[in-house]
Amino acid sequence: EAGVAQSPRYKIIEKRQSVAFWCNPISGHATLYWYQQILGQGPKLLIQFQNNGVVDDSQLPKDRFSAERLKGVDSTLKIQPAKLEDSAVYLCASSLETQYFGPGTRLLVL
Amino acid sequence: AQSVTQLDSQVPVFEEAPVELRCNYSSSVSVYLFWYVQYPNQGLQLLLKYLSGSTLVKGINGFEAEFNKSQTSFHLRKPSVHISDTAEYFCAVSDLTQAGGTSYGKLTFGQGTILTVHP
Repeated sequence: EAGVAQSPRYKIIEKRQSVAFWCNPISGHATLYWYQQILGQGPKLLIQFQNNGVVDDSQLPKDRFSAERLKGVDSTLKIQPAKLEDSAVYLCASSLETQYFGPGTRLLVL
Repeated sequence: AQSVTQLDSQVPVFEEAPVELRCNYSSSVSVYLFWYVQYPNQGLQLLLKYLSGSTLVKGINGFEAEFNKSQTSFHLRKPSVHISDTAEYFCAVSDLTQAGGTSYGKLTFGQGTILTVHP
């Protein structure tokens, strides 16, 4: 069974630029999560989807972050404009019950 | 709201020695409890979970954890570690009341414990 796929694996941008991350969950998983993991900290939930609807986006900085899950499968997370403090690993997870995590996208904002 | 505290940021240990990674949580509602492991440049992998029933939970790679409701703890243990166990370990909880359908709900993570196994 294929795992959660994420791309790109690494991204370096300058502040105020925009960036997008892509996630393909495990087939059949209705629930999809995006987490932000800052160096030295545990992952923090940004947004949770159930199929293509948003369940929880209370910790998503909506002035600069956006996410969508069209057709209830793949998802994209966008940051526009990026700030230095957005440097982190962005993890995507999907679940039926247990959450399975992708390898993450490591973002560096200069 | 829930919070998770991992009491040790780093734990060095010699190969074949026992290890315990400590985790305490705070919640006003019942929770599910999890331990995940993260190897360098990889995503998180589930080690074990406590949902209900026996308070001693066995997971993969010889790890086990014990749920102690009175002390709100979920410490992870392994009787004999290997070099390959070197990684970062995260304790996490999810809110039982937010778990819906087939999902356990969003996870709240601790800050992680780096386990380093020395030869």
